[in-house]
Amino acid sequence: AQKVTQAQTEISVVEKEDVTLDCVYETRDTTYYLFWYKQPPSGELVFLIRRNSFDEQNEISGRYSWNFQKSTSSFNFTITASQVVDSAVYFCALKGAGGSNYKLTFGKGTLLTVNP
Amino acid sequence: DTGVSQNPRHKITKRGQNVTFRCDPISEHNRLYWYRQTLGQGPEFLTYFQNEAQLEKSRLLSDRFSAERPKGSFSTLEIQRTEQGDSAMYLCASSPPDSFSGNTIYFGEGSWLTVV
Repeated sequence: AQKVTQAQTEISVVEKEDVTLDCVYETRDTTYYLFWYKQPPSGELVFLIRRNSFDEQNEISGRYSWNFQKSTSSFNFTITASQVVDSAVYFCALKGAGGSNYKLTFGKGTLLTVNP
Repeated sequence: DTGVSQNPRHKITKRGQNVTFRCDPISEHNRLYWYRQTLGQGPEFLTYFQNEAQLEKSRLLSDRFSAERPKGSFSTLEIQRTEQGDSAMYLCASSPPDSFSGNTIYFGEGSWLTVV
């Protein structure tokens, strides 16, 4: 079975602080895909990034960066110089490449509040 | 380039009534998914279509739930004899043809259901 754990339920920071959202996953698949989604109050899940298990390069996109470490089964997300607009619930998700390769397994999410 | 469209966005219904949600996927996406999300939880997989074929149904989808995707285009999710426990957000998502199984799944804004 696949599992995603986001241990941080809520995080509150002041604008311009850096913040890291943790994600730990479990899977028996040798090939799998990891995702981060952002869910603002409107409800839509906004895709942020997809990472393949065979590509452990970290990625940076503007103020966002992702640290994928297969050895610790972690896929952490860092926001640099946070802004009020970053306030949302962030979900980490996992998709296998085996028989259930169509299904995303989500963590419970981390509510990030960025205060001015 | 329009995203996944869902309607209605909000529905309040009395217990025992039937409700139907509609989802229009991204054009040319042949895969369509329904997820359910309750407060404080991540989305949970309900069902999956590839074109018009419903290939997987979660055990979360009781007999009162039925989903269709006629002609492989839009999809409907019907809940019969609603119960208070059905109150949740119902998310629709779509993804492109399976060039590789890591295709990103794009979500709509969700349909909020409140059963009173």
